Amino acid sequence: NAGVTQTPKFRVLKTGQSMTLLCAQDMNHEYMYWYRQDPGMGLRLIHYSVGEGTTAKGEVPDGYNVSRLKKQNFLLGLESAAPSQTSVYFCASSRTSELPGEQYFGPGTRLTVT
Amino acid sequence: DQQVKQNSPSLSVQEGRISILNCDYTNSMFDYFLWYKKYPAEGPTFLISISSIKDKNEDGRFTVFLNKSAKHLSLHIVPSQPGDSAVYFCAASRYDKVIFGPGTSLSVIP
Repeated sequence: NAGVTQTPKFRVLKTGQSMTLLCAQDMNHEYMYWYRQDPGMGLRLIHYSVGEGTTAKGEVPDGYNVSRLKKQNFLLGLESAAPSQTSVYFCASSRTSELPGEQYFGPGTRLTVT
Repeated sequence: DQQVKQNSPSLSVQEGRISILNCDYTNSMFDYFLWYKKYPAEGPTFLISISSIKDKNEDGRFTVFLNKSAKHLSLHIVPSQPGDSAVYFCAASRYDKVIFGPGTSLSVIP
């Protein structure tokens, strides 16, 4: 099993450009999450999904959109990138909310917006 | 205002000694607490958890203690090994909501 994979690993964008980050999991997990990690801030939840076709906002959703068209994939979109979105983005998945927080994380995507 | 705090950004410990990482939270509604470990250029990995109905949970060299009245939890690593050098995140959850602390960077010196 590959677990949770993220594409791409690195990306540099110019202000105003758009991009999509792809997360895939092969563990048949129901829940999927997108976080961003910034120095001194820990991991902050952007959006999450409790099942195929459903999404919900997390702590810091502004400037991002998500889609969960297939159970195994969770896409994070930036429509018009801003320097404040320079960060490391992590995707995670979990079986259910019965053990809340026991999530499996991908390796991360380092995004720089200039 | 951070709901989950890790007031020590870094910690250095000699190999073989005990490492104690601390975490404080502000919301008494949290009912499940976790520790994650993160190596550079990798995603966090789940380490150990504790339910609010318990005050201690052990898994090998790792023990988590919970003091609900003080809204404080700690992770003890005994004995510490160089491979334990990583960033440790404390997290607190209720239902689908999980809040992570800012992390503590542990260095275990051989």
